[in-house]
Amino acid sequence: ILNVEQSPQSLHVQEGDSTNFTCSFPSSNFYALHWYRWETAKSPEALFVMTLNGDEKKKGRISATLNTKEGYSYLYIKGSQPEDSATYLCALKTSYDKVIFGPGTSLSVIP
Amino acid sequence: GAGVSQSPSNKVTEKGKDVELRCDPISGHTALYWYRQSLGQGLEFLIYFQGNSAPDKSGLPSDRFSAERTGGSVSTLTIQRTQQEDSAVYLCASSLTVGKRETQYFGPGTRLLVL
Repeated sequence: ILNVEQSPQSLHVQEGDSTNFTCSFPSSNFYALHWYRWETAKSPEALFVMTLNGDEKKKGRISATLNTKEGYSYLYIKGSQPEDSATYLCALKTSYDKVIFGPGTSLSVIP
Repeated sequence: GAGVSQSPSNKVTEKGKDVELRCDPISGHTALYWYRQSLGQGLEFLIYFQGNSAPDKSGLPSDRFSAERTGGSVSTLTIQRTQQEDSAVYLCASSLTVGKRETQYFGPGTRLLVL
């Protein structure tokens, strides 16, 4: 059974702090990696699509890196704001139509 | 519509009853996915449709679960003889097609509570 892991499970930071979390996956099964943000009472929404080793993606204060050889991706948030509070999910695509979600990292940003 | 819609948004049922959950994907999206999230758990893949066919049914947790998709659009997930462990949020997602870069657009979910 393929396992996608995320750490930490939850995180509480002060407004203005920068933070990062990890998605780990079996490198031999890598096809693509997607990051999603899931705010409470809303639907998960796509953040990044990463397909190549060394990929770096950025959207505003949020960025992500990918290492397919060692099987991990980092998500960084610079200067966290309360509106960043959400669960961040990574999803490993193992083929064109198969996807496995990690359990998520729950981020709370305290004003 | 503008996004993926699901109905009902909430469903409370008694153990042993059948329930039907509906998903309307984004118009033109050929791929449709069903997931569930039980309390304290991550997103669990249930089933995936490409057009009207479901090439991968491996995620359905038991034979009480079935799903169909008609006209390459609306999908229904049916749970027969519901059990308390079926209580979860059931999420539907669609994507334009399948592929490396295809992200999924999620609906708001159906919160199912089996008493």
